[in-house]
Amino acid sequence: AQSVTQLGSHVSVSEGALVLLRCNYSSSVPPYLFWYVQYPNQGLQLLLKYTTGATLVKGINGFEAEFKKSETSFHLTKPSAHMSDAAEYFCAVSDFNAGNMLTFGGGTRLMVKP
Amino acid sequence: ETGVTQTPRHLVMGMTNKKSLKCEQHLGHNAMYWYKQSAKKPLELMFVYNFKEQTENNSVPSRFSPECPNSSHLFLHLHTLQPEDSALYLCASSPLSSTDTQYFGPGTRLTVL
Repeated sequence: AQSVTQLGSHVSVSEGALVLLRCNYSSSVPPYLFWYVQYPNQGLQLLLKYTTGATLVKGINGFEAEFKKSETSFHLTKPSAHMSDAAEYFCAVSDFNAGNMLTFGGGTRLMVKP
Repeated sequence: ETGVTQTPRHLVMGMTNKKSLKCEQHLGHNAMYWYKQSAKKPLELMFVYNFKEQTENNSVPSRFSPECPNSSHLFLHLHTLQPEDSALYLCASSPLSSTDTQYFGPGTRLTVL
């Protein structure tokens, strides 16, 4: 069975500071990993995903994530936070056996201070 | 615009009411999903439809009844709900592969009195 753990349900950073949102997964087969963002009163939107190939994945709005198999991690980073990055972020995992079903983490709410 | 629309956006209902949530996708996808998002709980997958056939029912109580008349439309029929069913109900669609992105609608905020 798959699972996703997001460390820190709330993260606060200052505008211009590094953003680091942590995600660890468990999967018995090679995983497919996703980060989604949810802005207030909206549905989830894909930021980036890893399926195969290059382990450093770049997404929208300046975000990137690195798949580290040895650490079973897929942490999300952005060098410089912007006020508009304030939202809830969800890490999710799938794999070949799971078909088209995703398992989501509990989410991390990012707050950006001026 | 994500291509997935949901109506209504907000719904307040009593425990004895019957109501339906509607989802429509304009992306040509073959899979559609219902999720429940409650405060302080992870996103919960409720139902999955692939090519209009239900392939997953994640132990959802029978007071929630899904319907998928075609690959573009998905309904969630509600009856005799409980206050703890109050949540944001999200619809999503995708192609069928495990590597495909799911596209989400804006959700229906349901309050059960």
